Amino acid sequence: KQEVTQIPAALSVPEGENLVLNCSFTDSAIYNLQWFRQDPGKGLTSLLLIQSSQREQTSGRLNASLDKSSGRSTLYIAASQPGDSATYLCAVLRNNDMRFGAGTRLTVKP
Amino acid sequence: DTGVSQNPRHKITKRGQNVTFRCDPISEHNRLYWYRQTLGQGPEFLTYFQNEAQLEKSRLLSDRFSAERPKGSFSTLEIQRTEQGDSAMYLCASSRDNYEQYFGPGTRLTVT
Repeated sequence: KQEVTQIPAALSVPEGENLVLNCSFTDSAIYNLQWFRQDPGKGLTSLLLIQSSQREQTSGRLNASLDKSSGRSTLYIAASQPGDSATYLCAVLRNNDMRFGAGTRLTVKP
Repeated sequence: DTGVSQNPRHKITKRGQNVTFRCDPISEHNRLYWYRQTLGQGPEFLTYFQNEAQLEKSRLLSDRFSAERPKGSFSTLEIQRTEQGDSAMYLCASSRDNYEQYFGPGTRLTVT
C-alpha cells in the first residue's frame, strides 16, 4: 500500500527566506507526482506536476524535484512571501489512485 | 469559468437523511475523481470515472455511497442514511487521462 509522508507538518519562516518542503513515498512505481496548495476551507490548486520520467519541474519561484528510486520529492520555494502561507500537499498517482500526504502548513511572516 | 465546479458548497443535514452532491468537470477531461478530506488530513480517494464508466472504488466507499456519471460529463455523489462520521469536505477533480488533476472548491458536509 502506498504511504505518503510530508515533513515538516508545519513550518514558520520570515518573509524572504528560501525554503524546502519534503515528501516521501513508499512505492516507487508511480505514474506522476503532483504538488498542490490549499488555502483554509478551499479546494486544491495544482502547482507542479512531475511525470515519473522527469526529475524536476519549475514554475516561477517554485521548483519541484523527484527522485523516484529513493521515493522522495522536494518543493523549493524561493524568496517566500506572506501570500505563500497555505498548506502544501504532495500526491502520487499509481494506477488510477492518487495518494496524498497530510500536508505541510506554511506560515510566512511579514 | 472553465474550471471544476461543485454544488452545493456547503450542506448541513441531520443524521439519517440522504444528500447528493454534484460535480461539473472541465469539459474536455475524460476522467473524474471523488475524494474526501477531513480536518488536518490530505484528501482520500473514493472513486473515479473514465468517461461514464466507474472503474475503481475505494474501500472507504461503503454501500451507503453511490456515484454516477451518466453521460460522461457531470457526476453526482449520493450518501444515504448519513452518519456523523460522514462529515467532511468532498472534493471532485478531473483530468485528461493520467495527466494533471484539477480540483473543484469542494462541498463541505456537516451531519448533525
